This record gives sequence, C-alpha cells and structure tokens, in this order.
Amino acid sequence: QKEVEQDPGPLSVPEGAIVSLNCTYSNSAFQYFMWYRQYSRKGPELLMYTYSSGNKEDGRFTAQVDKSSKYISLFIRDSQPSDSATYLCAMSAPDFGNEKLTFGTGTRLTIIP
Amino acid sequence: ETGVTQTPRHLVMGMTNKKSLKCEQHLGHNAMYWYKQSAKKPLELMFVYNFKEQTENNSVPSRFSPECPNSSHLFLHLHTLQPEDSALYLCASSQARVGGTDTQYFGPGTRLTVL
Repeated sequence: QKEVEQDPGPLSVPEGAIVSLNCTYSNSAFQYFMWYRQYSRKGPELLMYTYSSGNKEDGRFTAQVDKSSKYISLFIRDSQPSDSATYLCAMSAPDFGNEKLTFGTGTRLTIIP
Repeated sequence: ETGVTQTPRHLVMGMTNKKSLKCEQHLGHNAMYWYKQSAKKPLELMFVYNFKEQTENNSVPSRFSPECPNSSHLFLHLHTLQPEDSALYLCASSQARVGGTDTQYFGPGTRLTVL
C-alpha cells in the first residue's frame, strides 16, 4: 500500500465550478499537510499548509484535514482557467531538523472556459 | 535573482557523458533537497542536506553524486546514466528547525533526457 494515495485524474470542470481534490494516507504519524500547485514546466509552489485536523481557508481555497479518516481535501471555489495545473498533496511527520515530505502522485486539473 | 534557481533547464546526455545540475537558493535557508519527478509517480526524495551536511540518501544509485559546498548551492553530478533516469529533477530549500516542518520552496527543475 502506498503511503499517500491521490487520484491522478485528469479532472476537467467548467469555469466557476467547485473543485474537490483529495488524498488518503496510511501513516498516522503525519501531522503536517500541504497542497502544492505545479504549472506545466514549473516547479511546485506551496498553496496551502495545515497542521493536524481542521479547516483552513485562503481566498477561494479551503484545505480540510480529517486525521481520524486519514483523508485530506482541497476545495477550489469559483474555479478559473488559471487554476488549471497539477495539484500535489504532501505530508510529513515531526522530525528533528530534517523535514521529509511524502507526496501524492498529483491530480491534473483543467478548468474549461 | 529570487527564490530557488536551477540550471540548466533542459539537458540531453548520452549514457557515457558526465554532466552536473546546479541549484542556488536566495532565501537564506539552511536545508536543500534533490527530488526526482517522473510521469505518474510521486516526487521521489533523493538527497537532503542540512547545514551543508548530507542527512538523507534515499537509496539513490551511485551514478548520482550530490555536492553541497555551502548552504546556498547544491549540485547533482551525473555519470553513466540510464535511459530510465530521464525525468524532471527538482531542487528545493527550507529553513529546517527542531521538531517542526517548514515550507519547502522548489526551483523550476531541470528536464533531463538520457539517450
């Protein structure tokens, strides 16, 4: 079983729709959860960062973490064509000065104008 | 220059060649990373340097040789690669600290093709 599972897509939705992206994980030691966005021919850029369970909102983006179900989500409201990218979930366990992220495979998202 | 830069952006090499990838971070961070990104696979951590000391070598073949001369620069020396080593190689940096996790900032990557 992979440590982090993420549906690779591709996922296509019309502009203005709500997008839901998800990851599941198996390692209960994970406490830090991140979503990265990667445009074509670019490196990943951090989009959202959450610690432990709960929700975090930033503009049109909401990150949710459910540690009891080992499930994290990223919601995008009022989706725009500029949101078309690959979205990577990543997570890590507390470590002493040696951060190691475990990534999902990424979900390729296309917003159709 | 800002953030994390990588050169070259594209590299084509034969299996007998020797080449090097370069990464530079302008963020004042103390940790640097090499990742490999292949199609339909998760990002694979290759090496971690913390305060210029290698703290992680994720079972990477010896044909990949990292070098970290200071906390701002990271190199990946390549020799006698195989076609399956073709991938996007990403460099990242972060401010490592005890007991926590800080954001990793990625460079744009080097697209490597091994013929």
